[in-house]
Amino acid sequence: EDQVTQSPEALRLQEGESSSLNCSYTVSGLRGLFWYRQDPGKGPEFLFTLYSAGEEKEKERLKATLTKKESFLHITAPKPEDSATYLCAVDYGQNFVFGPGTRLSVLP
Amino acid sequence: EPEVTQTPSHQVTQMGQEVILRCVPISNHLYFYWYRQILGQKVEFLVSFYNNEISEKSEIFDDQFSVERPDGSNFTLKIRSTKLEDSAMYFCASSEDPSGSGGLNEQFFGPGTRLTVL
Repeated sequence: EDQVTQSPEALRLQEGESSSLNCSYTVSGLRGLFWYRQDPGKGPEFLFTLYSAGEEKEKERLKATLTKKESFLHITAPKPEDSATYLCAVDYGQNFVFGPGTRLSVLP
Repeated sequence: EPEVTQTPSHQVTQMGQEVILRCVPISNHLYFYWYRQILGQKVEFLVSFYNNEISEKSEIFDDQFSVERPDGSNFTLKIRSTKLEDSAMYFCASSEDPSGSGGLNEQFFGPGTRLTVL
């Protein structure tokens, strides 16, 4: 069964403590992998699209990378305002599947 | 900055009633989507819409659901006979139409409509 998983489920970091979030997928025929940020009670906010293994995208303190089976979202020197749930989603043609998310808390 | 808007923000209905959720996508976007998120669960794709017809739909999007673009600005999701398990946050999204990519582009999400079925 095609699946998208994310780890860890929750992550607490001190401000400035860099870390990585993982998104693993088992779908076949990947057309693209997306990263979103979701704040409580709001809709997902687009961050990145990755299309092929080896691709990297950066935006401020965030960097997303993609391999054939997983993607990483690296957060460098996070700030409290980076606290949110980070979602990955996969488009494989027949469907658009979201992972369950990683809930990130950055403490001052 | 252009944004996707949704109305109402919260809809309460009785089981068996019909509801229509409304969305105004970003004006130059051509692809439209509906998603739902049951409280505490992941975001689930329902349907995508392009050129006045459904382009993809998930297993969740059964005969109970329908979508429509009644005019040049609104995009609606109708749930014909609501069930308790339809209670969720419903998100509308839209994206541009980059040539040759079939709508594979960043999707802008609205703030959502919280549907509560009693």
